[in-house]
Amino acid sequence: RKEVEQDPGPFNVPEGATVAFNCTYSNSASQSFFWYRQDCRKEPKLLMSVYSSGNEDGRFTAQLNRASQYISLLIRDSKLSDSATYLCVVNRLGTGANNLFFGTGTRLTVIP
Amino acid sequence: DTGVSQNPRHKITKRGQNVTFRCDPISEHNRLYWYRQTLGQGPEFLTYFQNEAQLEKSRLLSDRFSAERPKGSFSTLEIQRTEQGDSAMYLCASSARTDQTEAFFGQGTRLTVV
Repeated sequence: RKEVEQDPGPFNVPEGATVAFNCTYSNSASQSFFWYRQDCRKEPKLLMSVYSSGNEDGRFTAQLNRASQYISLLIRDSKLSDSATYLCVVNRLGTGANNLFFGTGTRLTVIP
Repeated sequence: DTGVSQNPRHKITKRGQNVTFRCDPISEHNRLYWYRQTLGQGPEFLTYFQNEAQLEKSRLLSDRFSAERPKGSFSTLEIQRTEQGDSAMYLCASSARTDQTEAFFGQGTRLTVV
């Protein structure tokens, strides 16, 4: 089983729509969680960290459910500029091992 | 610019040639990661350094791949006898010591093997 799993999409939504992405992780030892955004042929960039209590940054809301090992990202009032691939990333505590695991990404296209 | 820097940005090479990429992490970051990404996929882990120590290598990293971080600062990734299947974006990332912090990526080196 993959460490991190995401629905690859694509998600095609009209401007102004609300869209949600989900991500599951397999290892309960995972400690911290992030959503990264990656534009076509660019490097991934941190969109937001995901905190246990849930957190919001403008139109973006991230939530974590440790019991279900599930992370979500909600985008409200979608803009054309939100079109990108959204990568779910988990960080597992460990001093001697790779501890950053990426999902395959969910592609979002916002349509005028 | 104090972010992660990778050179070159693009590399086209003939099959069978050797190539070397460089990554300069954010200066106070002691963790450095190399990833490979192909179209439509998320980054795949290749190797990880904590300071100068290479602590983990993926089984994706065949004998033709080697990475170093000699002084715990910049890192190099060398691919010997390149194959067409090596064509990908090679991404470097760095993070601070605290396990909770996010990683910051360089702009990547796009390798095309012809």
